[in-house]
Amino acid sequence: DGGITQSPKYLFRKEGQNVTLSCEQNLNHDAMYWYRQDPGQGLRLIYYSQIVNDFQKGDIAEGYSVSREKKESFPLTVTSAQKNPTAFYLCASSIGVSGRNQPQHFGDGTRLSIL
Amino acid sequence: GQNIDQPTEMTATEGAIVQINCTYQTSGFNGLFWYQQHAGEAPTFLSYNVLDGLEEKGRFSSFLSRSKGYSYLLLKELQMKDSASYLCAVKGTGGFKTIFGAGTRLFVKA
Repeated sequence: DGGITQSPKYLFRKEGQNVTLSCEQNLNHDAMYWYRQDPGQGLRLIYYSQIVNDFQKGDIAEGYSVSREKKESFPLTVTSAQKNPTAFYLCASSIGVSGRNQPQHFGDGTRLSIL
Repeated sequence: GQNIDQPTEMTATEGAIVQINCTYQTSGFNGLFWYQQHAGEAPTFLSYNVLDGLEEKGRFSSFLSRSKGYSYLLLKELQMKDSASYLCAVKGTGGFKTIFGAGTRLFVKA
């Protein structure tokens, strides 16, 4: 079955440490996204990628980095510069970025906490 | 600024009908999506509206009025499994940008 896989489901970060969240999709989608979800707030876009080897900053990119070396993979690194990283992180993909009626397909999320 | 407003919580009874409203102010409009999200899980796509009017899909219907910046999601014959958060999301201009509301938590009671 096609889908998006995020790992790990739970992740703990020590102060000053970088951590990487994995996101893999086998839907053959061109576009991939990373969102952060905090209680009582909507999903906020961190980074998105329209195609391999290309990515763009979203609304809250500071303290995060991404890469898109393969179509299937879009890992997110939460760096030590991100001062408030505790949140639920969701990865999503869609057929294309600009398609009007293309819904996004989401992974099950990674919950990141600070030790 | 860009903004999407939804009620924070709603409660309804099993077998009843519930309407979840969404109002939006965005830079441009390329469609409105509704997603369902159970606690700790991934959002899943429910419906899409780009033209004014009602879209029906089984027990779920979604309505859009672009002139009013307004949509609603109608859930009929409520079941306990419908207890979840419902996210309203608007795709603005530029193609890529989808703005999400904070979601409405629906509690279905017996």
